Amino acid sequence: GNSVTQMEGPVTLSEEAFLTINCTYTATGYPSLFWYVQYPGEGLQLLLKATKADDKGSNKGFEATYRKETTSFHLEKGSVQVSDSAVYFCAGSGYSSASKIIFGSGTRLSIRP
Amino acid sequence: GAVVSQHPSRVICKSGTSVKIECRSLDFQATTMFWYRQFPKQSLMLMATSNEGSKATYEQGVEKDKFLINHASLTLSTLTVTSAHPEDSSFYICSASKGDSYEQYFGPGTRLTVT
Repeated sequence: GNSVTQMEGPVTLSEEAFLTINCTYTATGYPSLFWYVQYPGEGLQLLLKATKADDKGSNKGFEATYRKETTSFHLEKGSVQVSDSAVYFCAGSGYSSASKIIFGSGTRLSIRP
Repeated sequence: GAVVSQHPSRVICKSGTSVKIECRSLDFQATTMFWYRQFPKQSLMLMATSNEGSKATYEQGVEKDKFLINHASLTLSTLTVTSAHPEDSSFYICSASKGDSYEQYFGPGTRLTVT
């Protein structure tokens, strides 16, 4: 079946470090791919998205490129800040007409000052 | 645009009582609304999908008589947890989508604690 797999956390980095959170998907079609961020005690916020192969989503210094050949959508940021500490979810949708989103398990990111 | 609100943000209820959670799309008409449950430090689990004016479609393992979903209008869906028990304590998140878009807009979540 369709699935989204992301690297397990927690991930702890120092401020200004380079961030990569890996995400891969399985699909029989061409899903839309998303990264969501969840700050403590809050709901999910859309961070970025890509709807077709080779698209690059970007927002707030974060980037992810839809790679069809490797079925990946890794999240990257060149220089993280303490305020980036949150849980990040990779997700895919468009697998069915019901527009269900399939979420990865989430990766908790902590940034040290 | 595309703001979704939930009310209440937190609720504490006694075991055996029922509690209703509202999900509203504030600036768009939501053709489909979704209800998720999130356990601590875990991912979101889809509970049900609802379209305005029709019965909700529940995911496998979700009791439809316990988690009543009503999608009475294009801007409002409600989730009622009936005869709540401590194991129903969780973070409930709704989302909404519009038109043919696969994108979902999420509410801020409701933390339910059953004592």
